[in-house]
Amino acid sequence: GESVGLHLPTLSVQEGDNSIINCAYSNSASDYFIWYKQESGKGPQFIIDIRSNMDKRQGQRVTVLLNKTVKHLSLQIAATQPGDSAVYFCADRDRGSTLGRLYFGRGTQLTVWP
Amino acid sequence: DADVTQTPRNRITKTGKRIMLECSQTKGHDRMYWYRQDPGLGLRLIYYSFDVKDINKGEISDGYSVSRQAQAKFSLSLESAIPNQTALYFCATSDPGTSGSSSYNEQFFGPGTRLTVL
Repeated sequence: GESVGLHLPTLSVQEGDNSIINCAYSNSASDYFIWYKQESGKGPQFIIDIRSNMDKRQGQRVTVLLNKTVKHLSLQIAATQPGDSAVYFCADRDRGSTLGRLYFGRGTQLTVWP
Repeated sequence: DADVTQTPRNRITKTGKRIMLECSQTKGHDRMYWYRQDPGLGLRLIYYSFDVKDINKGEISDGYSVSRQAQAKFSLSLESAIPNQTALYFCATSDPGTSGSSSYNEQFFGPGTRLTVL
């Protein structure tokens, strides 16, 4: 079954505000997590990843937080811009997976209003 | 130039027809994947290949077959298409990476093929 899920299917934010997209997972053996962004008509694109031995990782305007205690992952986007409008997917990898299989959540649609 | 390409980008076909979707990559990755995307269901894995001699079934392989013709090419076939195979199909590649890699298991996706089965 699907080990990764999202709390909300849609999120609307004002341009310039910060966005937080949440993800819950159920597999205690997950050791790697990744966020993808998918714009309309395109394939998913890598945003940021984090290993299970970390709690936080920062990229350019994005931060991923991992709370292993409650099996929760979040993506924070600072100063959200219209170009951030897209569907965001989280995915995890089982520690026992030797072939790099990722399990994807259903996605959250982020809409940024001017 | 795109690293992962898919052909065709759009295809409309009829029930019972055999369809092949093609994927090519210039990233030099050994691992390739085929996913299906349906609204509200995210990405589901159909087949994956560790290398040219390795093919593995994913979550939803029934009704599909694949061929890994070379390291750079991975084709997905629908032997007899049915309407519930209407979906967006994505090919992806990845590299095993190293423990020090910043992109530990990143998969690189193609632009997708929109398939409609009437």
